[in-house]
Amino acid sequence: GQNIDQPTEMTATEGAIVQINCTYQTSGFNGLFWYQQHAGEAPTFLSYNVLDGLEEKGRFSSFLSRSKGYSYLLLKELQMKDSASYLCAVRGFTGGGNKLTFGTGTQLKVEL
Amino acid sequence: DGGITQSPKYLFRKEGQNVTLSCEQNLNHDAMYWYRQDPGQGLRLIYYSQIVNDFQKGDIAEGYSVSREKKESFPLTVTSAQKNPTAFYLCASSAGTGVSNQPQHFGDGTRLSIL
Repeated sequence: GQNIDQPTEMTATEGAIVQINCTYQTSGFNGLFWYQQHAGEAPTFLSYNVLDGLEEKGRFSSFLSRSKGYSYLLLKELQMKDSASYLCAVRGFTGGGNKLTFGTGTQLKVEL
Repeated sequence: DGGITQSPKYLFRKEGQNVTLSCEQNLNHDAMYWYRQDPGQGLRLIYYSQIVNDFQKGDIAEGYSVSREKKESFPLTVTSAQKNPTAFYLCASSAGTGVSNQPQHFGDGTRLSIL
């Protein structure tokens, strides 16, 4: 099976940098996704990692270590609009194609 | 504009009633998914379909049913057997299994409540 752990809540200051961690235990691994979800809205795709290392996309970066079962999402130059829930999702070798298992999400609050 | 459309946005169910949530996509995606999201919990997979006329149970399929008669459509029926249906329901789609790095794209969701 799959188990994914993320912190429940985090608070950071506008303009700062925040790192949201995700650890996972899976029966197989075939990629990790990060999504952003504002309250009452659909999740939107942020990043994808399948190999070890850092993927950078503007203010957002995501890191993966497969040997440690660990990923983080790094948000730089925080803005108020970054206040949202951040979901970590893992795809395993379940024969279910692109089937994902989601963590419970990390609620990020950006303050002035 | 390509995307996923879910309807209705809000839905109310009476006791003993079946209700159907609509999900349509024009992204030409082979795979479609239904998730349930409860407060403080992550998305849990109800059913998924990798191709037309085929679908599989997810982690919490009891009390739900689906059909996949067309590539564009994947309706979800919440039956009277689902005793705790109040939740936010999200539909998603993705390219087929041969395109491993493609993310799932989500609709705007349907919020279902019990009357």
